[in-house]
Amino acid sequence: LAKTTQPISMDSYEGQEVNITCSHNNIATNDYITWYQQFPSQGPRFIIQGYKTKVTNEVASLFIPADRKSSTLSLPRVSLSDTAVYYCLVGDWTTDSWGKLQFGAGTQVVVTP
Amino acid sequence: EAEVAQSPRYKITEKSQAVAFWCDPISGHATLYWYRQILGQGPELLVQFQDESVVDDSQLPKDRFSAERLKGVDSTLKIQPAELGDSAMYLCASIKGENTEAFFGQGTRLTVV
Repeated sequence: LAKTTQPISMDSYEGQEVNITCSHNNIATNDYITWYQQFPSQGPRFIIQGYKTKVTNEVASLFIPADRKSSTLSLPRVSLSDTAVYYCLVGDWTTDSWGKLQFGAGTQVVVTP
Repeated sequence: EAEVAQSPRYKITEKSQAVAFWCDPISGHATLYWYRQILGQGPELLVQFQDESVVDDSQLPKDRFSAERLKGVDSTLKIQPAELGDSAMYLCASIKGENTEAFFGQGTRLTVV
């Protein structure tokens, strides 16, 4: 499993863009990059997943450079409700590999008015 | 919207007693995970099922923890005897297929006194 490294915490103001970078130097060819969000006393919730280049959905964008050794989750115009812990996961969850869904410590994002 | 159901939501038990948690994944999801999350830390994978088979329980403290998924649908995680250090949130998650998002339940908050 590729080990991931991400900042412990980040602070932001409402309306700003928040970018969280995750390092995964040992990412394997078949690995996908997935981000989850977790609020206190709740289970994690899927945000976005990508393999290469850029992926965008209604809540976030995921930027993955060509070497795939890092990825950046971008949260546009954050609000107070975006205060949460964000986890970067790297793995191959195909049926044949039965990959582990392994979480690290995550990044605590705090949004203030 | 389909959800992963967990019960109970909260459980207080005395040290050395037995305790059990139940999880019903989203229908059709073959892969099921149990996690333990201590306050301030990321979720720690305890056991992973593919249908009724355990594919990874390397992190499960087998002297006191057990998990089963007899018919490949719902699952039970048991602790016997409970210890003070077992106080944590126990999360269940399920995945439908390859490289798709994991859906988490609300968790069971266990307090051992």
